[in-house]
Amino acid sequence: AQSVSQHNHHVILSEAASLELGCNYSYGGTVNLFWYVQYPGQHLQLLLKYFSGDPLVKGIKGFEAEFIKSKFSFNLRKPSVQWSDTAEYFCAVDSGGSNYKLTFGKGTLLTVNP
Amino acid sequence: DVKVTQSSRYLVKRTGEKVFLECVQDMDHENMFWYRQDPGLGLRLIYFSYDVKMKEKGDIPEGYSVSREKKERFSLILESASTNQTSMYLCASTLEDETDTQYFGPGTRLTVL
Repeated sequence: AQSVSQHNHHVILSEAASLELGCNYSYGGTVNLFWYVQYPGQHLQLLLKYFSGDPLVKGIKGFEAEFIKSKFSFNLRKPSVQWSDTAEYFCAVDSGGSNYKLTFGKGTLLTVNP
Repeated sequence: DVKVTQSSRYLVKRTGEKVFLECVQDMDHENMFWYRQDPGLGLRLIYFSYDVKMKEKGDIPEGYSVSREKKERFSLILESASTNQTSMYLCASTLEDETDTQYFGPGTRLTVL
């Protein structure tokens, strides 16, 4: 079974600091990759996704992620975080041909202090 | 705008009760999913459905069943609720297109006493 690992359970940053959240997956074939975000009290929503093409994908609110196939990684980055980025972030993988099932990581809680 | 709604935001039930969680989507999506979300465990797939009356087990189906009689509605059933089923339950839907996005509902926080 495929698995998704998120390296950090809780990350605490000050505003304007740079962010990188790690995500590694175990599946060796073709994958679709996602980052979802859950702001306090809100629905889980898509931040960005990768299916093919340019391995550097840009999402909403200044986030980006880079797919590195050789490292089975899809790390999320933002050059300068804001207090409003405080949320829980989930990496997810869809191995395709499996009725679009997603396997999620355990999540990383990001706290940004003003 | 896609809308996925869930019947209750908060629910408190007693051990042994039969519990129904309802999910409705308004975008004619073929695929619907039920997850549970627990701190430190992320989201885990319970069941999913890719068409009316069709269902498949996810990663943790034990203790749950589902029903999809209409395309827009997907129900999660706890036949006999237990305390270890206390959790946040999330419903999601997506089109029959593997490049599409899963849209999530607001969640139902179920407490089983």
